[in-house]
Amino acid sequence: EPEVTQTPSHQVTQMGQEVILRCVPISNHLYFYWYRQILGQKVEFLVSFYNNEISEKSEIFDDQFSVERPDGSNFTLKIRSTKLEDSAMYFCASSQDTSAQYFGPGTRLTVL
Amino acid sequence: GIQVEQSPPDLILQEGANSTLRCNFSDSVNNLQWFHQNPWGQLINLFYIPSGTKQNGRLSATTVATERYSLLYISSSQTTDSGVYFCAVEYGGGATNKLIFGTGTLLAVQP
Repeated sequence: EPEVTQTPSHQVTQMGQEVILRCVPISNHLYFYWYRQILGQKVEFLVSFYNNEISEKSEIFDDQFSVERPDGSNFTLKIRSTKLEDSAMYFCASSQDTSAQYFGPGTRLTVL
Repeated sequence: GIQVEQSPPDLILQEGANSTLRCNFSDSVNNLQWFHQNPWGQLINLFYIPSGTKQNGRLSATTVATERYSLLYISSSQTTDSGVYFCAVEYGGGATNKLIFGTGTLLAVQP
């Protein structure tokens, strides 16, 4: 069964550094999403992406964040200058249409 | 914005017991999904269920959209069922619909 994959599984970085989280969505899916979950809290929406542009973004998704689909398979989330409060699990998701979303295993980001 | 509340917040079961988890939402939704977050943090897709009833093995789910709730039934629970169960709803328009997650139910199944 096709699945969403994410790399790395765990990323440790120093405050102020840039990080890029990578995702490979399910191949025939057209809609892509990033969510995050701070430890012990619920999952929060960050951004959705369709037709090579951002469809919607949350208040969390400020100028420090950007997304890109650099080729036909990868979908990336970049945080330009990480802060301590960016420490969280980041999930990528994809969907074929505006129906069921399938989640990747997540990248645990730790900012020191 | 829409509120998504789950109950109970915590649940401890003995292996073999049955349970019902509830998800209430405050506004009309387009779609609803149930997820299981395992101890490693992975979100496992259980059901996509905007309305009606679905079954998958020991798990089943029912959504009554007109009354703004969904139920997840777990029968003959096993220790591997432990983890956090989230419901998430889609609402709104536009090209994509974001998922709004509920507060979760933490389930512990004891041997």
